[in-house]
Amino acid sequence: QSVLTQPPSVSAAPGQKVTISCSGSSSNIGNNYVSWYQQLPGTAPKLLIYDNNKRPSGIPDRFSGSKSGTSATLGITGLQTGDEADYYCGTWDSSLSAHVVFGGGTKLTVL
Amino acid sequence: QLQLQESGPGLVKPSETLSLTCTVSGGSISSSSYYWGWIRQPPGKGLEWIGSIYYSGSTYYNPSLKSRVTISVDTSKNQFSLKLSSVTAADTAVYYCARLHKLSDAFDIWGQGTMVTVSS
Repeated sequence: QSVLTQPPSVSAAPGQKVTISCSGSSSNIGNNYVSWYQQLPGTAPKLLIYDNNKRPSGIPDRFSGSKSGTSATLGITGLQTGDEADYYCGTWDSSLSAHVVFGGGTKLTVL
Repeated sequence: QLQLQESGPGLVKPSETLSLTCTVSGGSISSSSYYWGWIRQPPGKGLEWIGSIYYSGSTYYNPSLKSRVTISVDTSKNQFSLKLSSVTAADTAVYYCARLHKLSDAFDIWGQGTMVTVSS
């Protein structure tokens, strides 16, 4: 059971837009930056979004992030078959023992 | 271009200690802007943060693993290491090392990962 809640799967057609939600609490998302990671099959995770909505160099602007209260959202527009992957949110949790937490992951299928 | 590379045994016996090393190349582990961390992923499952270390030796551990985990750093070798004691089959996973940005708490560079199987 992950501290951050993500839908297990989402799907959309090529060219369409999809959003992936990440729900937490005031001890994590509510008071800390959220990051998003893309994990293509058989590869290591790759940072897509940091500081809630910033993209590292080389990440296309089809990927966007937002945060409101204790929830965060990853948006992907102009879906491509190459976007099929698992997506994870992550943040710091400032509860009793400060630590990093991840969502359970969302499998994106591009139909 | 900074790179991270995990190394260590791919097979560990139950009740023994899992030991992995992450070698940092193309940059210094002693940067004040970053922590260095270990994350694992059991087959077919999600990511689990194990712990992180600063070049000074300060550590943060996952509360659920804290009693069994030790992370250390060797700045002279530009390496940091993971030890996980009393392993069971539940510790079978791909283990990743990664760089954690201190201000944004984002893992911006990852190693390729190494599969560790716990079995007799």
